[in-house]
Amino acid sequence: QVQLVQSGAEVKKPGASVRVSCKTSGYTFTKFYIHWVRQAPGQGLEWIGITNPNGGSTTHTQKLRDRIAMTWDTSTTTVYMELSGLKSEDTALYYCTRAGEFQGPFDYWGQGTQVTVSS
Amino acid sequence: SYELTQPPSVSVSPGQTARITCSGDALADQYAHWYQQKPGQAPVIIIYKDKERPSGIPERFGGSNSGTTATLTINAVEAGDEAAYHCQSADSSGLYLVFGGGTKLTVL
Repeated sequence: QVQLVQSGAEVKKPGASVRVSCKTSGYTFTKFYIHWVRQAPGQGLEWIGITNPNGGSTTHTQKLRDRIAMTWDTSTTTVYMELSGLKSEDTALYYCTRAGEFQGPFDYWGQGTQVTVSS
Repeated sequence: SYELTQPPSVSVSPGQTARITCSGDALADQYAHWYQQKPGQAPVIIIYKDKERPSGIPERFGGSNSGTTATLTINAVEAGDEAAYHCQSADSSGLYLVFGGGTKLTVL
């Protein structure tokens, strides 16, 4: 069965970096996109980026400019999202999610990784 | 940046029909997808490509897209439908995805 299992919660200070992993299984890794979505406390969902393990490309929201990097390891079918220069407004639950097409829909989701930015 | 607009809340009585709208200029060119999210859970896809229903989703859930407004319709609302509903689409270039602000459905 398809599974996306994310790494555990993180607490970071402002200005630090965080890396969240998303271990996938149960499907052919290179045939699907992995997107990253975050949800601040009590807020809606925010799309932050996409990785294409087949084409080798990434795209992210312009809001995060050059603070986000998304990578993957085909040998372990794991996707990574690293966010640098953390700010308090980056505090959120971060999800990885799978899509068969670039624009979605998202059919399977990870359990979420809480990232808290606090001094 | 491109935005999708949803009403913050919708309230209906059990057995009635709930309609949740999602407005955006690029909906004329891009599909809308809808997700249901219950507290403490990850979102679940309930409608994709404007009106398609994944297997396992009750027929009570339906969708439409008029060009600039996508609508999620829930017939014969049940208490278990109480949740947040999020629409998702892409901007006109198709390169940047976006979610609406989410709508909290309350079953009275």
